[in-house]
Amino acid sequence: EAQLVESGGGLVQPGGSLRLSCAASGFIFTDYWMSWVRQVPGKGLEWVANIKKDGSEIDYVDSVKGRFTISRDNAKNSLYLEMNNVRAEDAAVYYCARPQLLREDAFDIWGQGTMVTVSS
Amino acid sequence: EIVLTQSPGTLSLSPGERATLSCRASQSVRSNHLAWYQQKPGQAPRRLMFGASVRATGIPDRFSGSGSGTDFTLTISRLEPEDFAVYYCQQYGSSPTTFGQGTRLEIK
Repeated sequence: EAQLVESGGGLVQPGGSLRLSCAASGFIFTDYWMSWVRQVPGKGLEWVANIKKDGSEIDYVDSVKGRFTISRDNAKNSLYLEMNNVRAEDAAVYYCARPQLLREDAFDIWGQGTMVTVSS
Repeated sequence: EIVLTQSPGTLSLSPGERATLSCRASQSVRSNHLAWYQQKPGQAPRRLMFGASVRATGIPDRFSGSGSGTDFTLTISRLEPEDFAVYYCQQYGSSPTTFGQGTRLEIK
């Protein structure tokens, strides 16, 4: 069964850094683009970033460009999100999600999410 | 970017009733690349539909999707107790992919 498990969330100060991880299992990781999607508790969903199967192409939502870095380690079946210069508006549950086939696609597999809290 | 507007914001119905949820796009959604998700408290979203009208594996046939261009609908023919949740639409025909703000389906 395909599964995604996030970790690394927690409390970070404004301007601080945090690294999120997502461990994939149950499918061939290198066959898929991968994405991060976030959700402010009680609010809607926002796509954050995605990365091509081999890591050669990357996209970000404008609000995180220059601050967040998505990466993957195919040998470890893992996806990462390095968050730098974190802002209050970055506080959210961050989901690792698998686009079903294409770069822009519906997300067929989601992790359980990891919470990022921004506070001094 | 394409803005998706879902209506109503909250829908109050009873089990056994029919639910009709709307998702309207600010521009035409290319190739009907529109998905629907269900989210229950404390859980990740679950994909229900993609391609506007294709049910995902394991989704009961009481769920159906329709529409094209800028207007899309998710219909639940007869509500079961487990259907009460928040529903989101997502367009993936244009970059960046975007989501609607959600419709809360609550028990009347």
